[in-house]
Amino acid sequence: KQEVTQIPAALSVPEGENLVLNCSFTDSAIYNLQWFRQDPGKGLTSLLLIQSSQREQTSGRLNASLDKSSGRSTLYIAASQPGDSATYLCAAQDRDDKIIFGKGTRLHILP
Amino acid sequence: KAGVTQTPRYLIKTRGQQVTLSCSPISGHRSVSWYQQTPGQGLQFLFEYFSETQRNKGNFPGRFSGRQFSNSRSEMNVSTLELGDSALYLCASSLSGREQYFGPGTRLTVT
Repeated sequence: KQEVTQIPAALSVPEGENLVLNCSFTDSAIYNLQWFRQDPGKGLTSLLLIQSSQREQTSGRLNASLDKSSGRSTLYIAASQPGDSATYLCAAQDRDDKIIFGKGTRLHILP
Repeated sequence: KAGVTQTPRYLIKTRGQQVTLSCSPISGHRSVSWYQQTPGQGLQFLFEYFSETQRNKGNFPGRFSGRQFSNSRSEMNVSTLELGDSALYLCASSLSGREQYFGPGTRLTVT
């Protein structure tokens, strides 16, 4: 049974710093891994999706990597800004299209 | 293209009642998935519908049910509401069940 873990649960970082959010999954037979952002009380916004055959994806200041052999994905945020404050969730999709989410990392960028 | 819409956005019900939530997917998307989000359990998969057929199901009791119409709109029904059903209910649409786009959610409070 797939389990997705995100550590730490919360993170505070001064504005301007680069940071890395971690995601680990137990079953490497995934179809893709997706990173989402969620603002308080709102739905999820898709940030990046990495197919199982890919190693990384980039969008602006965001870079996500995938290492299936070690069961890990990271989301790198460059030059953090207060507007980056949100909860970041990763989700692994298996070959049956089921999606399992981690519980998220609550990120707070300090002005 | 219009995004995923969910109605209503907020709902208050009492224990024992039933509730129906609605989700309209992005035009052309045939897959609709439903998730429950609570502070304790995080995001949990309820079920997925594709072309009016339930394709995947999570581990929720039979009180939770859904359906999808020929225009891909989906409804989720919860009968005999319990206090623990208070949550943010999110739906997501996709072309095939892969990359998912989320709606803003329906906040259900059971008193």
